[in-house]
Amino acid sequence: NAGVTQTPKFQVLKTGQSMTLQCAQDMNHNSMYWYRQDPGMGLRLIYYSASEGTTDKGEVPNGYNVSRLNKREFSLRLESAAPSQTSVYFCASGQTGDQETQYFGPGTRLLVL
Amino acid sequence: GENVEQHPSTLSVQEGDSAVIKCTYSDSASNYFPWYKQELGKRPQLIIDIRSNVGEKKDQRIAVTLNKTAKHFSLHITETQPEDSAVYFCAASISSASKIIFGSGTRLSIRP
Repeated sequence: NAGVTQTPKFQVLKTGQSMTLQCAQDMNHNSMYWYRQDPGMGLRLIYYSASEGTTDKGEVPNGYNVSRLNKREFSLRLESAAPSQTSVYFCASGQTGDQETQYFGPGTRLLVL
Repeated sequence: GENVEQHPSTLSVQEGDSAVIKCTYSDSASNYFPWYKQELGKRPQLIIDIRSNVGEKKDQRIAVTLNKTAKHFSLHITETQPEDSAVYFCAASISSASKIIFGSGTRLSIRP
């Protein structure tokens, strides 16, 4: 039981490049989330998916898109990376409607030059 | 929408002393309050949670208290140890909602 996994662990991009961050969970959770955490800061919700086939914007969605590929997988795409998107990205999953606990992946460190 | 405020932002205590971190929330419908610990370079991990039908919960050296009337909840760590040094996040959610709202975090340092 791997829990929540993320790939890649670390990525360097040039301004304007695109990339997709992958997330998968094997806990049969309904909900999945993408957060960003800037140095010394808290967690800010980018997008979330309450169930397969649905996605909703969080606090800071601009510059990102998401896809809930199936119940297990939730990807985050940066279409045209900007230096302001340099951050650590965490994926999380939880069980909707059950006073859910969220379980986090190990994170992806992204540097945009 | 829900807003969670967390204090203090930094806290330094002598090893062996107690540490208390406080949070307030705005939405009276919130009924689930988890606490996460994040060590340097690691992912946030759940350390304890409390539901609205309970006023206090303990797990060894960690306890959480909830005052629904005042919309306050607190994390108490007793007999602090070096491995307690980390950033702690409180959070609040409504069971019918699909997301939880995090506080801004408290960086706890344990002095030897």
